[in-house]
Amino acid sequence: AQSVAQPEDQVNVAEGNPLTVKCTYSVSGNPYLFWYVQYPNRGLQFLLKYITGDNLVKGSYGFEAEFNKSQTSFHLKKPSALVSDSALYFCAVRGDTGRRALTFGSGTRLQVQP
Amino acid sequence: EAQVTQNPRYLITVTGKKLTVTCSQNMNHEYMSWYRQDPGLGLRQIYYSMNVEVTDKGDVPEGYKVSRKEKRNFPLILESPSPNQTSLYFCASSLRGLLDEQYFGPGTRLTVT
Repeated sequence: AQSVAQPEDQVNVAEGNPLTVKCTYSVSGNPYLFWYVQYPNRGLQFLLKYITGDNLVKGSYGFEAEFNKSQTSFHLKKPSALVSDSALYFCAVRGDTGRRALTFGSGTRLQVQP
Repeated sequence: EAQVTQNPRYLITVTGKKLTVTCSQNMNHEYMSWYRQDPGLGLRQIYYSMNVEVTDKGDVPEGYKVSRKEKRNFPLILESPSPNQTSLYFCASSLRGLLDEQYFGPGTRLTVT
């Protein structure tokens, strides 16, 4: 069975500091990995995805994520956090074999303090 | 404006009273999906559709029905709602499938008493 773990319910960071939101996964075959963000009272918005190729993926709003196959991780990063980055972040995965549905993690709330 | 719309946005109903939540997209997307969001559980896929008249179960399909008679619409039907279906529901669409960026609707908050 495929699964996603987001080990931190909440991440707190000061504005201007780098941020990392962690994600680890388990799938059959090769992984397809995604990050989505949810602002209050809104639907989810796509940030970035890894399908194949370069392990460092750049996405919207200055976010990037690094795919690490040996550690089965896909951590979301940003060099300098903004207060407006405060939101709920979801990692999602599906494998290229077996189950075709997309599995989401439980989410990590990012709080950026001014 | 490219968007996914859902109606209603909020719904309070009683156990056993059939209801339908509508979903429509104006992007000519082939793939559409329904999710429910519950605290601590993230999003779980209920049903998805690869194209007109093609639907399949997600992770939590019990108690739900869907249909895809037109490309733009993908209604979610609860024939006999129960309190454990109280949740926040999202419809999403993407151009071809799950490897493409999904566009999410604004959500429908359903309460079943």
